[in-house]
Amino acid sequence: RKEVEQDPGPFNVPEGATVAFNCTYSNSASQSFFWYRQDCRKEPKLLMSVYSSGNEDGRFTAQLNRASQYISLLIRDSKLSDSATYLCVVNSRNTGFQKLVFGTGTRLLVSP
Amino acid sequence: EPEVTQTPSHQVTQMGQEVILRCVPISNHLYFYWYRQILGQKVEFLVSFYNNEISEKSEIFDDQFSVERPDGSNFTLKIRSTKLEDSAMYFCASSGRGSNQETQYFGPGTRLLVL
Repeated sequence: RKEVEQDPGPFNVPEGATVAFNCTYSNSASQSFFWYRQDCRKEPKLLMSVYSSGNEDGRFTAQLNRASQYISLLIRDSKLSDSATYLCVVNSRNTGFQKLVFGTGTRLLVSP
Repeated sequence: EPEVTQTPSHQVTQMGQEVILRCVPISNHLYFYWYRQILGQKVEFLVSFYNNEISEKSEIFDDQFSVERPDGSNFTLKIRSTKLEDSAMYFCASSGRGSNQETQYFGPGTRLLVL
């Protein structure tokens, strides 16, 4: 089983749509969770950390279900500029020496 | 806003040659990392570095790879004898201390092409 699994997409949605991405992870000892965004041929950029209580940042909402080892990202009112690959990322270390494990990413295409 | 920088942005080399990829992490960060991304594939962890030592390395990071922090600002990745399969985007990342340890900030990457 892959350490971090995501549907690769692409998800094609019109502007203004709501879209949800899911991710599962295999290591139950994982400590922290993130969504990164990656534009074509660019570096991953942190979108948001994910907490068990759920967290929201503007149009973006992330949820973590530790029991199911499942992470989600909801994007409301999609913009053209949201088109990118969304990377589910898990860190299995609980002290300074981190090791981020990336999913393959879910590609989002927002069209006019 | 402080950022991680990397040089060169692109490097083309012949198989068997040595390459050095350079990174300047964010200035008050203590933890440094290298990742790579082969075209069309996921980002993969190579190595983490703290207090002038490797703290963890992946199976990819074999004897051909080494890392160094030669001075107070640079962090380098050396590939001694490049192979065709080393062609990839190499990202440097850094993270801070305390509660800021969790968030890794990535540089723009060096695209390495081995011919």
